[in-house]
Amino acid sequence: GENVEQHPSTLSVQEGDSAVIKCTYSDSASNYFPWYKQELGKRPQLIIDIRSNVGEKKDQRIAVTLNKTAKHFSLHITETQPEDSAVYFCAATTNAGGTSYGKLTFGQGTILTVHP
Amino acid sequence: NAGVTQTPKFRVLKTGQSMTLLCAQDMNHEYMYWYRQDPGMGLRLIHYSVGEGTTAKGEVPDGYNVSRLKKQNFLLGLESAAPSQTSVYFCASSYESRGISTDTQYFGPGTRLTVL
Repeated sequence: GENVEQHPSTLSVQEGDSAVIKCTYSDSASNYFPWYKQELGKRPQLIIDIRSNVGEKKDQRIAVTLNKTAKHFSLHITETQPEDSAVYFCAATTNAGGTSYGKLTFGQGTILTVHP
Repeated sequence: NAGVTQTPKFRVLKTGQSMTLLCAQDMNHEYMYWYRQDPGMGLRLIHYSVGEGTTAKGEVPDGYNVSRLKKQNFLLGLESAAPSQTSVYFCASSYESRGISTDTQYFGPGTRLTVL
């Protein structure tokens, strides 16, 4: 089955700096890669996603890049703010939209701390 | 719309006791999932359902049973709780378009379960 590795496990930055979180996946058939943000004691919430037919996607200060050849994808947060502090999870699914039924394999999570 | 809700929010069990966690969604989603979240391990899929009356095993199904008698509800049961089942449990749902999963999952608020 799919295996997703996420690094780093913790990341500490100063407000205004950029933050980058990287994930690698094992199944070359995976073609949907979402990123979730989870604040302390809250539910995971989708912040951005990318499908394998594109290499990059941006939404304001957040961007995701995908390298299918190397089987890795990354989350980039620019101009970080204290409210960006949370746990971030990457995920992958194989054959998205087909018989995978949307089953996601998650990375282990990255605790991001943004210091004012 | 309430979205995805979970009952109860917290529960403490003794080893060997049984309980049922309820997940309800009012978005008419076809697909529903149960995950457990443990520190440093991300979210792991326990069981999932692709429609009313269907269930299937995920990554970590042992010790759990599920039922989907109604489209809007997905129940997770622990027949004989063990300390290893101490975790935070999240339910999620997703919708289909033209008969296939759209992949985006919406999470409930979680249930924190402690087994003594």
